[in-house]
Amino acid sequence: DIQMTQSPSSLSASVGDRVTITCRASQGIMNYLAWFQQKPGKAPKSLIYAASSLQSGVPSKFSGSGFGTDFTLTISSLQPEDFATYYCQQYKSYPLTFGGGTKVEIK
Amino acid sequence: EVQLVESGGDLVQPGGSLRLSCAASGFTFSSYSMNWVRQAPGKGLEWVSYISSSSTTIYYADSVKGRFTISRDNAKNSLYLQMHSLRAEDSAVYYCVKGAFGDYWGQGTLVTVSS
Repeated sequence: DIQMTQSPSSLSASVGDRVTITCRASQGIMNYLAWFQQKPGKAPKSLIYAASSLQSGVPSKFSGSGFGTDFTLTISSLQPEDFATYYCQQYKSYPLTFGGGTKVEIK
Repeated sequence: EVQLVESGGDLVQPGGSLRLSCAASGFTFSSYSMNWVRQAPGKGLEWVSYISSSSTTIYYADSVKGRFTISRDNAKNSLYLQMHSLRAEDSAVYYCVKGAFGDYWGQGTLVTVSS
């Protein structure tokens, strides 16, 4: 199974900050990497697929990069609605596996 | 508009059974693979099962293999998860998810396994 390791597990940031979350795969997954945002009590929402492709309707302040084993999700200017937990997920092979999540909190 | 609506979650005793359903609309259901993903209270996301568009390929997480059965009815635009021999550790919100990279998720249905 491919293990996905996210860091940090949590972070505190201020409105307007640039935030970067990293995700590392235990083996190469090419660009088969997705990012999700989850708010309390809600289902995850797709942000990015294929490592860097923005889902329809997702604002351009979100961006993704990486290939192989190392990936990043960047939020260019954090807004109040962006405080949430973010997950990465590989879909190179089954079982699908998720990172442990990064909780973005208000500083 | 794509919609995935899960149902069937309930409180069930250990060893019991439950059948989850997911009603899909807003896309050509028969063209897409589907997954079940679960999330225990306060925990992260865990993939449970996959079914290909024509049901020819099915996968399960080791944690549910032999106890859960995924199926679909393309004529009814519906996805199912039959769960047997339920354990406390199966307690979670179960999400129906479209495709391998999860572009759409349902709102989830809560399964609680407890005596």
